[in-house]
Amino acid sequence: AQSVAQPEDQVNVAEGNPLTVKCTYSVSGNPYLFWYVQYPNRGLQFLLKYITGDNLVKGSYGFEAEFNKSQTSFHLKKPSALVSDSALYFCAVRESGDTDKLIFGTGTRLQVFP
Amino acid sequence: GAGVSQTPSNKVTEKGKYVELRCDPISGHTALYWYRQSLGQGPEFLIYFQGTGAADDSGLPNDRFFAVRPEGSVSTLKIQRTERGDSAVYLCASSRARAGYNEQFFGPGTRLTVL
Repeated sequence: AQSVAQPEDQVNVAEGNPLTVKCTYSVSGNPYLFWYVQYPNRGLQFLLKYITGDNLVKGSYGFEAEFNKSQTSFHLKKPSALVSDSALYFCAVRESGDTDKLIFGTGTRLQVFP
Repeated sequence: GAGVSQTPSNKVTEKGKYVELRCDPISGHTALYWYRQSLGQGPEFLIYFQGTGAADDSGLPNDRFFAVRPEGSVSTLKIQRTERGDSAVYLCASSRARAGYNEQFFGPGTRLTVL
């Protein structure tokens, strides 16, 4: 069965510092991987995805993620955090060949302090 | 352009009542999804439509839950004999024609509270 793990409930980082939000996954086939961000009282917003090709994926708002097949990870990164990046981040996986449902992690709250 | 819209934004009901939650997908998106998000959790898949038909309803928790999409656009999630455990935010998403690599666009959700 597919699954996603986000091992950190919360990540704290100072503004201007690099940030990493961790995600590991488990699928039996090739994964399609996604990151979404959720701001208070708003819906999930798509950030980026990995389907195939280059392991480093660039997305919205300066975020990027690195796909690592051997470690089954898809960590979200940003070189320089902004206070406005503070939000709840979700990693999700879809298994190729399966239905289109996404399996989400439990979320990581990112807090960027000035 | 307009995103996914959901109505109502909030719904408070009493245990045992029937509720309907509506989703308007992005125009032209043929795939529509329903998820449920409980407090402190990630969204959990409920059901997926491709056009008018339910392509995967494996996430519906029991037969009190039902969803329709009669004309391949608007969808309604129906919950009978609501229970307190049904309280959650119900999220709708849509995407272009079926292809797993297409990202899903989410609506703001309907917060359901069952008293």
